Amino acid sequence: GAGVSQSPSNKVTEKGKDVELRCDPISGHTALYWYRQSLGQGLEFLIYFQGNSAPDKSGLPSDRFSAERTGGSVSTLTIQRTQQEDSAVYLCASSPPSGTGDNQPQHFGDGTRLSIL
Amino acid sequence: LAKTTQPISMDSYEGQEVNITCSHNNIATNDYITWYQQFPSQGPRFIIQGYKTKVTNEVASLFIPADRKSSTLSLPRVSLSDTAVYYCLVGDIRYYGQNFVFGPGTRLSVLP
Repeated sequence: GAGVSQSPSNKVTEKGKDVELRCDPISGHTALYWYRQSLGQGLEFLIYFQGNSAPDKSGLPSDRFSAERTGGSVSTLTIQRTQQEDSAVYLCASSPPSGTGDNQPQHFGDGTRLSIL
Repeated sequence: LAKTTQPISMDSYEGQEVNITCSHNNIATNDYITWYQQFPSQGPRFIIQGYKTKVTNEVASLFIPADRKSSTLSLPRVSLSDTAVYYCLVGDIRYYGQNFVFGPGTRLSVLP
């Protein structure tokens, strides 16, 4: 089966432009996460979707960042009016439904490398 | 949130056993310990997860003492391809999301 898919794999854009990053989670996974990883650093949590519940947006660094998850599947992370400090790798992960009693690790995509010129 | 502390970097040689220890003094009753591996230009990949005592799979072993305030990831007979960053996370698996905090991890370099 396919894993978590992210597109584009690389994105270069000019400062001030808007960008959209896409994540296709594993089919059947109800939870979806976005993280940001700067060079040589750990992962910074951004936002978390769980089923039909309201998303946990507590990690979004500013109101220029937003994310949607349509139909409980595909998610889009949008960054408006990009700044150079937004340059990083944006990682998406998904997890299967909770409450099964099994270990439920996050499955990560390989990320989108965003470069703001 | 239970915070974790692990060495920033480690070096090893091919064929050796590598043990990476993670400290999590504030671990809560419902928290599990999860380890991830990350290669350059890839997302993290799940290695192993445990609650107490010892867990073993085809890739690694995880040793957790009775007080659960630390854990040790053991990689048997490492090869060059095990060069990666290893992350230790602690959290309640019923509530993912920001509950799981990725620190800087341990950068393992395996030398020939």
